[in-house]
Amino acid sequence: AQSVTQPDIHITVSEGASLELRCNYSYGATPYLFWYVQSPGQGLQLLLKYFSGDTLVQGIKGFEAEFKRSQSSFNLRKPSVHWSDAAEYFCAVGPRNTGGFKTIFGAGTRLFVKA
Amino acid sequence: EAQVTQNPRYLITVTGKKLTVTCSQNMNHEYMSWYRQDPGLGLRQIYYSMNVEVTDKGDVPEGYKVSRKEKRNFPLILESPSPNQTSLYFCASSLTGTSSYNSPLHFGNGTRLTVT
Repeated sequence: AQSVTQPDIHITVSEGASLELRCNYSYGATPYLFWYVQSPGQGLQLLLKYFSGDTLVQGIKGFEAEFKRSQSSFNLRKPSVHWSDAAEYFCAVGPRNTGGFKTIFGAGTRLFVKA
Repeated sequence: EAQVTQNPRYLITVTGKKLTVTCSQNMNHEYMSWYRQDPGLGLRQIYYSMNVEVTDKGDVPEGYKVSRKEKRNFPLILESPSPNQTSLYFCASSLTGTSSYNSPLHFGNGTRLTVT
């Protein structure tokens, strides 16, 4: 079955420290891969996406993610976390032949940032 | 400004009282979808629409209806709400439902529904 797993329900990081949020997926073929961020009271905003090519993709707000086919992973990273990064982060996958309409989301990882 | 607009943001209702949550997008997107977000479950798709007059069930369609009479609007209808439909609802749209590099989802700000 198709699924997305985000193993960490919540993570706490000190401001200025590095961050890595994990995402693993189960899919029949290499899907489109996305990371979205949800700030309190807001909808989800796209951080970055991977379709093909370079497996390290850059996104907005200084985030990057690396696609590792052998591990079926698409982990999100940021070298130095800012207090404004506190939010919930969702990894998502979508099939290559149907674009966005069957996007499957992980359960989310809530990021807390310590001052 | 390109956006997806949902109304209302907050809604409290009683069991059995029909309600509609509206969703409108101004980006001329073909594809629209409704999700519900529950703690520990992420986002689950309720219904989606590939284009006007084309709708289909997502993963959790029971108790919901939708319509797509115009490209920009995609209302979510709860004919007889029940407490297990208490949730945070999101409408989303994307340029196309077919394969496209530029089809990430654009989300509304959500509707928090409480059914007592």
